[in-house]
Amino acid sequence: DVKVTQSSRYLVKRTGEKVFLECVQDMDHENMFWYRQDPGLGLRLIYFSYDVKMKEKGDIPEGYSVSREKKERFSLILESASTNQTSMYLCASSVPGTGAWSQFFGPGTRLTVL
Amino acid sequence: DQQVKQNSPSLSVQEGRISILNCDYTNSMFDYFLWYKKYPAEGPTFLISISSIKDKNEDGRFTVFLNKSAKHLSLHIVPSQPGDSAVYFCAASAIRGAQKLVFGQGTRLTINP
Repeated sequence: DVKVTQSSRYLVKRTGEKVFLECVQDMDHENMFWYRQDPGLGLRLIYFSYDVKMKEKGDIPEGYSVSREKKERFSLILESASTNQTSMYLCASSVPGTGAWSQFFGPGTRLTVL
Repeated sequence: DQQVKQNSPSLSVQEGRISILNCDYTNSMFDYFLWYKKYPAEGPTFLISISSIKDKNEDGRFTVFLNKSAKHLSLHIVPSQPGDSAVYFCAASAIRGAQKLVFGQGTRLTINP
């Protein structure tokens, strides 16, 4: 079974803090993704990565950055957290070219910015 | 610009009956569609998919129908069971694109005993 783990299930931070969300997958997947989930908006893609040190902006990259130094690890960074970044953050991974195009998700991190 | 839309935020169905969840899309480049199921405090899990060369795909109690001309897909669950109560997300991808998935807003399905 593919396992995608996220470093924290719940996180509370203050406005202006730098926040790191970590994601690790154990199936040697090339692709990794960061989403945020908000009521009424579904899942929106923040950033994704096809390979180590590669990154691409998703639909809502503003206020976020990412780091992929190792294949199994994809970090999401909030440089200066703001209250509108309070959300559920979901990490996912997938294998390119499988034909199934399904992504495997971690359990999510619920981030609250005060 | 919501390219994938699930217009029903919630749906309530009696146990044993059919649940039908709907999804509309606007981008004609989408050619692969997926449904995910999400329980509270868990990540979404893949349920079923369909490519644009098909109009129906079945997996046990779950069937997805695709109407390309209407840019509409639906997920049928028969018979509905209490464990099916969850949020269901429709997602779409363009195979020639960047392997990104575009998700709908989700529909919360509640199965009543």
